[in-house]
Amino acid sequence: DTGVSQDPRHKITKRGQNVTFRCDPISEHNRLYWYRQTLGQGPEFLTYFQNEAQLEKSRLLSDRFSAERPKGSFSTLEIQRTEQGDSAMYLCASSFSGGGAYEQYFGPGTRLTVT
Amino acid sequence: KQEVTQIPAALSVPEGENLVLNCSFTDSAIYNLQWFRQDPGKGLTSLLLIQSSQREQTSGRLNASLDKSSGRSTLYIAASQPGDSATYLCAVRPPGTYKYIFGTGTRLKVLA
Repeated sequence: DTGVSQDPRHKITKRGQNVTFRCDPISEHNRLYWYRQTLGQGPEFLTYFQNEAQLEKSRLLSDRFSAERPKGSFSTLEIQRTEQGDSAMYLCASSFSGGGAYEQYFGPGTRLTVT
Repeated sequence: KQEVTQIPAALSVPEGENLVLNCSFTDSAIYNLQWFRQDPGKGLTSLLLIQSSQREQTSGRLNASLDKSSGRSTLYIAASQPGDSATYLCAVRPPGTYKYIFGTGTRLKVLA
């Protein structure tokens, strides 16, 4: 297994368009997280799944954002009616809940630019 | 509300120096603390994770310590190399949640 993967790596879209990102976690990991990172800042938590259940959402996740993990494997993050303020790096991470430290492993990110 | 601060924001050192990066957090009630490295435009690479019951963790030239009561962690890098140039982020996990709260990072440049 090569780690967490994200697709696409880069996305340029016009304001008002919808975009969808995909995250494939490490195969045995049952927890999946989405974070957003703007330039010069640390990542900010958006949402978290355990298997297919979305257990926690940040107030940053407005009603234009929706995340799913339908079969407890890959996850998608959709942004509707994008705004320029949505421009950021969207990071996905995964971890394993079976005892231990719950170390989070991050993917390479999807960089979104809204023009 | 938990807040994480990293000082300095940027650091430039000559190759071979030993250096210390600092991370402080406002609420000592944490489940664990994780240090990451981020290269420009890339994702995060996990370096070390310290459980709340631990005092330090070591991996190669890296050593991370945790003083939960004072809300501080340090990342010690021995014999720095140009390849260590990156942004170093620390993150804490509050109890009762699985999310991390990140600092803004220390941007390290090691000069050859």
